[in-house]
Amino acid sequence: AQSVAQPEDQVNVAEGNPLTVKCTYSVSGNPYLFWYVQYPNRGLQFLLKYITGDNLVKGSYGFEAEFNKSQTSFHLKKPSALVSDSALYFCAVREVGGFKTIFGAGTRLFVKA
Amino acid sequence: ETGVTQTPRHLVMGMTNKKSLKCEQHLGHNAMYWYKQSAKKPLELMFVYSLEERVENNSVPSRFSPECPNSSHLFLHLHTLQPEDSALYLCASSQRTSGEETQYFGPGTRLLVL
Repeated sequence: AQSVAQPEDQVNVAEGNPLTVKCTYSVSGNPYLFWYVQYPNRGLQFLLKYITGDNLVKGSYGFEAEFNKSQTSFHLKKPSALVSDSALYFCAVREVGGFKTIFGAGTRLFVKA
Repeated sequence: ETGVTQTPRHLVMGMTNKKSLKCEQHLGHNAMYWYKQSAKKPLELMFVYSLEERVENNSVPSRFSPECPNSSHLFLHLHTLQPEDSALYLCASSQRTSGEETQYFGPGTRLLVL
């Protein structure tokens, strides 16, 4: 069965510092991996995804994520956090060819000025 | 905006009421989804429609009834709900290929069941 774990309910970072939001996954086959962000009173917005190829994926707003197959992880990173990055971040996984996307519980990122 | 709209944005209903949530996508996609978002819980996939056929029903109680009359519209009919059904209901759409497609979400309907 597919599953996604986001071990931190909240991550606190000072503006200008690097940030990492962690995600690990479990899937029986090859995975497609996604990060979405949700701002207050909004739906989820796509940030980036890993399909195949280069393990380092670059996405919107300066975010990037690294796929690590041996550790089954897909951590979200940004070199320099902005206050406007404060939001709820969701990691998601889908098996190749599958219909079902499994989401993590979300990690709230708080960036302090 | 993502091109997916949902109405109403907020809904308060009693346990004996019948109401419907509406979702419309303007992106030309061929798949649509209903999710339930509760506080501090993973998004729960409820239903998936691909080419207007239901392809996934994630053990959702029968008091939730989806309808997909065409590829642009998706409804969620609600009847005799329970207070624990209070949540944010999100609609999404995608262009179905082999699974790598991105989902585009609407802003959600916040439902309160009294």
